[in-house]
Amino acid sequence: SQQGEEDPQALSIQEGENATMNCSYKTSINNLQWYRQNSGRGLVHLILIRSNEREKHSGRLRVTLDTSKKSSSLLITASRAADTASYFCATAPNNNNDMRFGAGTRLTVKP
Amino acid sequence: EAEVAQSPRYKITEKSQAVAFWCDPISGHATLYWYRQILGQGPELLVQFQDESVVDDSQLPKDRFSAERLKGVDSTLKIQPAELGDSAMYLCASRLGPGSSYEQYFGPGTRLTVT
Repeated sequence: SQQGEEDPQALSIQEGENATMNCSYKTSINNLQWYRQNSGRGLVHLILIRSNEREKHSGRLRVTLDTSKKSSSLLITASRAADTASYFCATAPNNNNDMRFGAGTRLTVKP
Repeated sequence: EAEVAQSPRYKITEKSQAVAFWCDPISGHATLYWYRQILGQGPELLVQFQDESVVDDSQLPKDRFSAERLKGVDSTLKIQPAELGDSAMYLCASRLGPGSSYEQYFGPGTRLTVT
């Protein structure tokens, strides 16, 4: 069963704008990860944030985690057409190492 | 850069036929995962291996699906007989193992169409 839920399901923006995607989950977690998937391809790991961290940066990516609200957000700044993809959050529950993925946010960046 | 290999990339089969997918993880990765991804949804874990042992197959439909990783390296996922509802992308991923980074490396997937 899927653990996380992304919001919105789809997002369309212009190149140069920022894109924000949210993820909510249900159980206590060890860590939360964000992955990107280009159409018809496998997933690529973007960033991992641990349960004791509140914010993390990687290039144009910024991830926040609020464990009290069981939610995370992924911000992509200065978006590019190449950022067009589906973005998934994945959570690793405390009791095991298995990851559970949400349904994803489909991001379209228009040139 | 090391990658997870999967074959075939695409497979079309008729219902009630048998189908098999192959995955070769990154060298040295002890943990291997098979996921199923239905169009428009996120990946769902089917089975997890630690070396040659199954760690979690609770979501694997065992009446028709089987998976093996005999030597703890490459793995095969089989469906017999295939049903229309099995049409999906089948993704393989690998990870170094317990105590290492949680990051999983995914292969390009096998797109299965059952007619």
